[in-house]
Amino acid sequence: QKEVEQDPGPLSVPEGAIVSLNCTYSNSAFQYFMWYRQYSRKGPELLMYTYSSGNKEDGRFTAQVDKSSKYISLFIRDSQPSDSATYLCAMTTDSWGKLQFGAGTQVVVTP
Amino acid sequence: GAVVSQHPSRVICKSGTSVKIECRSLDFQATTMFWYRQFPKKSLMLMATSNEGSKATYEQGVEKDKFLINHASLTLSTLTVTSAHPEDSSFYICSAREMDTVYSNQPQHFGDGTRLSIL
Repeated sequence: QKEVEQDPGPLSVPEGAIVSLNCTYSNSAFQYFMWYRQYSRKGPELLMYTYSSGNKEDGRFTAQVDKSSKYISLFIRDSQPSDSATYLCAMTTDSWGKLQFGAGTQVVVTP
Repeated sequence: GAVVSQHPSRVICKSGTSVKIECRSLDFQATTMFWYRQFPKKSLMLMATSNEGSKATYEQGVEKDKFLINHASLTLSTLTVTSAHPEDSSFYICSAREMDTVYSNQPQHFGDGTRLSIL
């Protein structure tokens, strides 16, 4: 079993819809949770960074962490074609920072 | 803020050539830098972790004599692929992380990657 599970998609949604992404994990020691967006042939871009359980909102993006269920989510409101990319969840146990990545979910937002 | 620059973005070279890739943190001091390899439609695979002024720590299965990493300053790390062969063709991405403060743990910020093609 992988430490971090993420559905690779593709996930296709119409413009303006809410995109819902999630990851599950098995290691209860994970404390820091991240979502990265990666466009084709580019490096990952940090979108959201949360510590422990709870919600965090930044513009159209909301990240949720439920440590009791070992489940994290990312929601994108009012999706735009420019949101079409691969979204990677990542997490780490400590401040040293070595990340465990999910497989990445490919999102396609159609006009 | 937190910009990481990676150069070159694309390299095409002959088999047997050594290739150097640079990773720079432009607006912060990176106490730790990471090097990843990514295959098409796959997630990132960590190759090694380097801390400024010390030897890199390589992941299991990564040949340290093939992939030489130098982190000589707080803003620059280099990856040299020595005697590259076609199987070394891949997308190589670096990331950098600044020192944690008492109040916050710092995330990794990534460069835009280097696409290496060995003929």
